[in-house]
Formats: sequence, structure tokens, C-alpha cells
Amino acid sequence: KAGVTQTPRYLIKTRGQQVTLSCSPISGHRSVSWYQQTPGQGLQFLFEYFSETQRNKGNFPGRFSGRQFSNSRSEMNVSTLELGDSALYLCASSVDLNEKLFFGSGTQLSVL
Amino acid sequence: AQSVTQPDIHITVSEGASLELRCNYSYGATPYLFWYVQSPGQGLQLLLKYFSGDTLVQGIKGFEAEFKRSQSSFNLRKPSVHWSDAAEYFCAVGPPRGGNMLTFGGGTRLMVKP
Repeated sequence: KAGVTQTPRYLIKTRGQQVTLSCSPISGHRSVSWYQQTPGQGLQFLFEYFSETQRNKGNFPGRFSGRQFSNSRSEMNVSTLELGDSALYLCASSVDLNEKLFFGSGTQLSVL
Repeated sequence: AQSVTQPDIHITVSEGASLELRCNYSYGATPYLFWYVQSPGQGLQLLLKYFSGDTLVQGIKGFEAEFKRSQSSFNLRKPSVHWSDAAEYFCAVGPPRGGNMLTFGGGTRLMVKP
């Protein structure tokens, strides 16, 4: 069974641009969560989706948005990139809410 | 607001020695508790979780953790560390009603001496 797949693996953008990150959950998983990991702030929750509905959102500005499609695949978008958005963005999926989370290897975003 | 504290940023142990990683949490109710491990360049892997019941929880790779309500702690232990255990370890809490909105501690980086 394939794991959680995140694309691209690495991304370099400049300030002011926007970026879209993709996450394909494990087959059969309906819940997808996103986390931001930085050396300074650690791991911080971004969003949680279940059956195409956003269930929870972390304390991030409106520049950060996401969505989940009917096949459970998810995307997150960051508009008007800032230097501080440089981070490893991790996606995790689970069969249902409150079930074991499986994490992808992440997308490393660098904003120059 | 909930928070998780891992007091030790770095820990170095000798291979074969025992290990204890500390985790303290602050939460309005008894949360769900987790330990994750992250190897360099990788995502996180769940070691174990506590929802309710027996306060001593067994996980994968020979790890265990003990929930102590009176101390708001959930320390991770392993009786004999292997070189392959070198990684970063994260303690996390989740909402009692479920969901995957986890709050993570700052992590403890474990180094293993041969």
C-alpha cells in the first residue's frame, strides 16, 4: 500500500509569489491534515479536512488556504509568500478522525 | 490554551543504555497523548498513543510511555537503545473529542553513542 505522497518534494519561490502544495493520502483514508514545521516554531497545525469539509483551522493568516477533493486528495495554497513561510509542510492522512495519522515526507518550501 | 513541553532539547545516550524522554502537557481535560519519531528528511511516525485505560502504553520499536495524570506527564522510555533510534522525538496532545488537530512539543533530538 502506497504511503502519503506529497508533491513537489522541494520548492523555491520568491517573496510575493503564491504556491500550491499537493497531498495524496493513503487509499481509503478520508481525513487529511496539514502541518508546518520550522526550526523556530516547531510543528504547527494548519488545517484538517474530512470528506471535503474543513473541520479545523490553525492560527495562521488567511494567506494560507486549503481544500480537499472528492477522492480525498488535498491541496494547500499560500498566497503572497513571505520569507517566514519557508518551512517543511507535512501532510498526514488517517482512515477517519481520531485514528492513527500517517505522515508524508513533506514539501520543503524555501522563500527567497 | 493547550501546550506541550519537552524540557530536553538534546539527549545523548550510549548504545544499550536505557532512555527516558520527558513530556509535560497543559490541557483543560485529559487529552489524547502521542509520541512520534522523525528521522532526518522524513515525516513523522507514530510510536504510541494513549486515549484511556491502562496508563502504561506499549508502542513499536520497544518503546513504552506512562501517563501520569497527577504530574501532567507522558514520558517515553526504552530499556535498551539501539543506534538506529537516533532521531527527533515529538510528544503531542490531541483534543479529547477526537480529530487530528495535534499540538506538538518542541522535540527532543536523541543521539546514540557507540
